[in-house]
Amino acid sequence: AQKITQTQPGMFVQEKEAVTLDCTYDTSDPSYGLFWYKQPSSGEMIFLIYQGSYDQQNATEGRYSLNFQKARKSANLVISASQLGDSAMYFCAMREGPGRRALTFGSGTRLQVQP
Amino acid sequence: SAVISQKPSRDICQRGTSLTIQCQVDSQVTMMFWYRQQPGQSLTLIATANQGSEATYESGFVIDKFPISRPNLTFSTLTVSNMSPEDSSIYLCSVAGQGAHGYTFGSGTRLTVV
Repeated sequence: AQKITQTQPGMFVQEKEAVTLDCTYDTSDPSYGLFWYKQPSSGEMIFLIYQGSYDQQNATEGRYSLNFQKARKSANLVISASQLGDSAMYFCAMREGPGRRALTFGSGTRLQVQP
Repeated sequence: SAVISQKPSRDICQRGTSLTIQCQVDSQVTMMFWYRQQPGQSLTLIATANQGSEATYESGFVIDKFPISRPNLTFSTLTVSNMSPEDSSIYLCSVAGQGAHGYTFGSGTRLTVV
């Protein structure tokens, strides 16, 4: 079974509008972390936002917020006021268990912001 | 968060040859991870490298094809051996930290095998 599922291969959004990128996850470990990364065409991985499984509040980082619904095992990324520079691949990732472990990535969503 | 210098940034190699990718971290880290990203795909973990012990490889990846060295807490190399066009990918190293911080990635090595 897929650990991280991103069901939107591609998304379009108009500049200045908000967009939600979907991510669902599967784990039986009570301790886990959820991450979102942006990958522009240059290939670098840019960390956007993190949500811990025990965090009570949804994470926010500037224009990025994470809609964490633990019971539904979803961790959707919301980008507000989209900018042309937001056009990139977006990956949801999970670290299962505590400590320093490798991340498991979803298949990604390609976001294109239109002027 | 740690800063990683990854080299080379890109290379075009002949099939049958080998390429060694280097990652230098600006601080001491216990674990380093190597990922492969095939064209248009997501990141797949190749192996986890701990200093002073053999790397742990994921299913589908073997040491003979992807030997890894981890001579100290700030440096690691991944070699892609006996390359074929199917090895054309982006290879990334990463280090882990606590919580939200420290999952830093190198800038990636874009490998093309011809």
